[in-house]
Amino acid sequence: DGGITQSPKYLFRKEGQNVTLSCEQNLNHDAMYWYRQDPGQGLRLIYYSQIVNDFQKGDIAEGYSVSREKKESFPLTVTSAQKNPTAFYLCASSLTKWETQYFGPGTRLLVL
Amino acid sequence: GEDVEQSLFLSVREGDSSVINCTYTDSSSTYLYWYKQEPGAGLQLLTYIFSNMDMKQDQRLTVLLNKKDKHLSLRIADTQTGDSAIYFCAESYNQGGKLIFGQGTELSVKP
Repeated sequence: DGGITQSPKYLFRKEGQNVTLSCEQNLNHDAMYWYRQDPGQGLRLIYYSQIVNDFQKGDIAEGYSVSREKKESFPLTVTSAQKNPTAFYLCASSLTKWETQYFGPGTRLLVL
Repeated sequence: GEDVEQSLFLSVREGDSSVINCTYTDSSSTYLYWYKQEPGAGLQLLTYIFSNMDMKQDQRLTVLLNKKDKHLSLRIADTQTGDSAIYFCAESYNQGGKLIFGQGTELSVKP
């Protein structure tokens, strides 16, 4: 069953805590992306990776970090420096950076 | 800078056609996309059009592209209640690796 999986579906963060969102794909895609969605707004790009061990900042990278140690995995860490982390986080992947992006089911992050 | 604009809401009756409109600013976009999002879910790719095309039809979906006016539309024929969702248009930024999204159009289909 091919696709993109994100976990957990819901995540709760306490003040001052770092949390990590998981994104895994078995589509053999080189490129992976993290977007943030706020109510009534479109998606904004946080980070993207075109290939293993390489990643670039998107439009709203402050307060976030990523790694790309494996082709299949692109975890996103929301650090304590991100002051307004409550949002819906969507991971996507594409065969190359020029190809169509496919999305996972999303993780909703809430602050306690 | 790059920007994509959509109207926020559209309400139609079941069986009617729906037309969702989008304007964009980056004339060097290679592909333009339509995605559908149901409540609490990720984005589902509906269709896309290459920038050198004027029209693309896929079953009930018709995409029209007017490059001169930088206007993109999605027509859904015979709209069903299951089509109720938020529809996003997106353009591929000229360097690849980035999609620019509109705010989304919430389509409500009434029986």
